[in-house]
Amino acid sequence: EAQVTQNPRYLITVTGKKLTVTCSQNMNHEYMSWYRQDPGLGLRQIYYSMNVEVTDKGDVPEGYKVSRKEKRNFPLILESPSPNQTSLYFCASARKGVYGTPDTQYFGPGTRLTVL
Amino acid sequence: AQTVTQSQPEMSVQEAETVTLSCTYDTSESDYYLFWYKQPPSRQMILVIRQEAYKQQNATENRFSVNFQKAAKSFSLKISDSQLGDAAMYFCAYNQGGSEKLVFGKGTKLTVNP
Repeated sequence: EAQVTQNPRYLITVTGKKLTVTCSQNMNHEYMSWYRQDPGLGLRQIYYSMNVEVTDKGDVPEGYKVSRKEKRNFPLILESPSPNQTSLYFCASARKGVYGTPDTQYFGPGTRLTVL
Repeated sequence: AQTVTQSQPEMSVQEAETVTLSCTYDTSESDYYLFWYKQPPSRQMILVIRQEAYKQQNATENRFSVNFQKAAKSFSLKISDSQLGDAAMYFCAYNQGGSEKLVFGKGTKLTVNP
């Protein structure tokens, strides 16, 4: 089954404790991205990657890191989480479209993160 | 910067009836994609429908169809024969051709009444 998976689905942590949220896709998509969703703000892009070893900042990258060492994986790293990073996080992937940029994005199930 | 506006924070519809959700967007580009995503209580983001700006024909997926008005920069979603399972948050999203960014509206919460 074609899918985007995220782990963990739920996480409660404390300020300053480094954490990683994993994202994996089995569709051989070139493009992967991370979003956060907050009430009243919709989804905002954190980072994206157009291919292995190629990453770039989205609209809200502060406090996050990513890496793309393999095509299928795109982990999101919070080196020193803070309470304002409490949010619902989505990973998405897409194949490269006609413009060389992402076609339709498919989303993972989400990770609900609480930072105390 | 491109923006997407959903002017209806909440909508409701009776089961089996039709409802239209509004979306407008701001862009100076001519090549782009528009999407509607559904987010049920499970929080999963599910693609409902997609429209390429160069296509004049409105996209349709079963009970879901769009009214794409390029000149007016409007992209509304029509749900026909509404079902209880259609209850969800609906997000309109814009992707400029040649861009890696997907810009979302703030969503419309749809309630379906039995």
